[in-house]
Amino acid sequence: QITLKESGPTLVKPTQTLTLTCTFSGFSLSTAGVGVGWVRQPPGKALEWLALIYWDNNRQYSPSLKTRLTITKDTSKNQVVLTLANMEVVDTATYFCAHRRSMGSFYYMDVWGNGTTVTVSS
Amino acid sequence: EIVLTQSPLSLPVTPGEPASISCRSSQSLLTSNGYNFLDWYLQKPGQPPQLLIYGGSNRASGVPDRFSGSGSDTDFTLKITRVEAEDVGIYYCMQALRIPLTFGGGTRVEIK
Repeated sequence: QITLKESGPTLVKPTQTLTLTCTFSGFSLSTAGVGVGWVRQPPGKALEWLALIYWDNNRQYSPSLKTRLTITKDTSKNQVVLTLANMEVVDTATYFCAHRRSMGSFYYMDVWGNGTTVTVSS
Repeated sequence: EIVLTQSPLSLPVTPGEPASISCRSSQSLLTSNGYNFLDWYLQKPGQPPQLLIYGGSNRASGVPDRFSGSGSDTDFTLKITRVEAEDVGIYYCMQALRIPLTFGGGTRVEIK
């Protein structure tokens, strides 16, 4: 059974760097075809994709946030870490991590964590 | 970036009746080998999104067969043959063809 759990601060100040950890079980990020992604959702708004990291350490970022985002993995700890620098009030959101699976030609995010809510305020 | 436009924004439904949601893409999501890279998710109140459909028409594991996805190129549809009370929530389409991955604005399904 695959599970993912996001953790990190609930409150950060503007200009600070947010560090979120996704701790997972039930799969390995060293298995070919596997990835972990991050998606966020501002209060009452739609989903926004942020970043992906794959088993081969290939990383993909949202172009609009690329200069501020970093995604890394620690395969031995079954963790993926997302950092978002220079936080702003508009970055207030619930942040989700998700398991990305390959099936033939397709990749999809099939299992999601419950999310962690981050508020940016001074 | 690829823009996805969903309609309607809100869909009141009667249990047992069918429902349909449209998702239109600003660019083709169809590859030269015939695959469409469009997924559907349902976010129930207070929960994370759950995958319903991938590749335009493939039901994810454990998804009831009352859900079906169809369409190709730039026009896609999610259909529910008979809506149940547990189907309420916000439905999102997402394109998985190009980075950045992008989501539609969502369709809120509620029981009349």
